[in-house]
Amino acid sequence: AQSVTQLDSHVSVSEGTPVLLRCNYSSSYSPSLFWYVQHPNKGLQLLLKYTSAATLVKGINGFEAEFKKSETSFHLTKPSAHMSDAAEYFCVVSDPVGSGNTGKLIFGQGTTLQVKP
Amino acid sequence: GAVVSQHPSRVICKSGTSVKIECRSLDFQATTMFWYRQFPKKSLMLMATSNEGSKATYEQGVEKDKFLINHASLTLSTLTVTSAHPEDSSFYICSARDPWTYEQYFGPGTRLTVT
Repeated sequence: AQSVTQLDSHVSVSEGTPVLLRCNYSSSYSPSLFWYVQHPNKGLQLLLKYTSAATLVKGINGFEAEFKKSETSFHLTKPSAHMSDAAEYFCVVSDPVGSGNTGKLIFGQGTTLQVKP
Repeated sequence: GAVVSQHPSRVICKSGTSVKIECRSLDFQATTMFWYRQFPKKSLMLMATSNEGSKATYEQGVEKDKFLINHASLTLSTLTVTSAHPEDSSFYICSARDPWTYEQYFGPGTRLTVT
């Protein structure tokens, strides 16, 4: 069974400083991993995804994440936070579709990113 | 990216009534759609997988007779909350999976309030 754990429920950074949102996963398969962002009262937006290609994945808005199999981690980083980055972030794991798998997404608990001026 | 719409964006209904939420994929045909529920300040919980032309697959603990799912066409899935109660109040989000890339695209969500 797949699962994902976001290690911090709340992260607070100052504008212009680096962002680190931590995520560990558990999967019986070679997983697909995603980071989504949700702004207040808005839908989910895909930031980036890992699907067994390059282990360092670059996403939108300057975010990137590194897949580390040995550590079963997929932490999200950004060199310099903007005020507009304040939102809820979800780490997500998925089985590959096929071979009896539905490819359904399993969401982490979410991390609230606060950006202080 | 692809666009998925939901209607209505918010709805208020009285306890005991039923409410239908629509999820549409606007620029691709989705044989598979998913319905999620999100409680305030909580994560998304998968409720069911909606398959075009067949019965939905419900996650453990989700009442299929209470949350009726119909996937009548390749671009439309509906979730009907039957005999709604205040505890059904929540944010319901759908997603549609692109059959070629398997990527899921999310709708903007529907906020249901049962009074």
